[in-house]
Amino acid sequence: DAGVIQSPRHEVTEMGQEVTLRCKPISGHDYLFWYRQTMMRGLELLIYFNNNVPIDDSGMPEDRFSAKMPNASFSTLKIQPSEPRDSAVYFCASILLGGRPGNTIYFGEGSWLTVV
Amino acid sequence: RKEVEQDPGPFNVPEGATVAFNCTYSNSASQSFFWYRQDCRKEPKLLMSVYSSGNEDGRFTAQLNRASQYISLLIRDSKLSDSATYLCAVRAGGFKTIFGAGTRLFVKA
Repeated sequence: DAGVIQSPRHEVTEMGQEVTLRCKPISGHDYLFWYRQTMMRGLELLIYFNNNVPIDDSGMPEDRFSAKMPNASFSTLKIQPSEPRDSAVYFCASILLGGRPGNTIYFGEGSWLTVV
Repeated sequence: RKEVEQDPGPFNVPEGATVAFNCTYSNSASQSFFWYRQDCRKEPKLLMSVYSSGNEDGRFTAQLNRASQYISLLIRDSKLSDSATYLCAVRAGGFKTIFGAGTRLFVKA
């Protein structure tokens, strides 16, 4: 079975540019999460969706960040304008409600973003 | 104070050693607990869930102490292949899952 699919895997962009990260969750999964990981701050939850509806976006750092989930098989995380401090690995993850074991979170391989 | 805290390490241990990690959480309403393993430049992957009565999976034992709000992971007979970062994860209601920053483990020959 295909896992969580993220694109691009690596992106280098200049400060001020718009960045769009994409995610396809595992088919049938009910929840989708966006996390950001840096050495300094660890793995931070940015936002999560249930059945395409945003449930909690309290982790979104500021208005420059936005996330959408137009349908059950696709989500985007946008940063506009990007700044060097946004450089991080962005993980998308999904959960199947009632899945085993214990409603495990499955992560994509991550999008490695560098803003110069 | 962070919601989930771990000692970042690194823990440097010889092969065959026993090593233990702790993780504390601040939300007393937390309901589910997990340990994830993350290899260098890879995504986190579930190592094991943590059950109230404690649970074991081969060389790995997980414990939960609700009164003191911490979970632990014990690795016995460490292997070189156990070298990784170990992340604890805590979930309150609604599936909001918060991760600790991780503890790095190096097992040396």
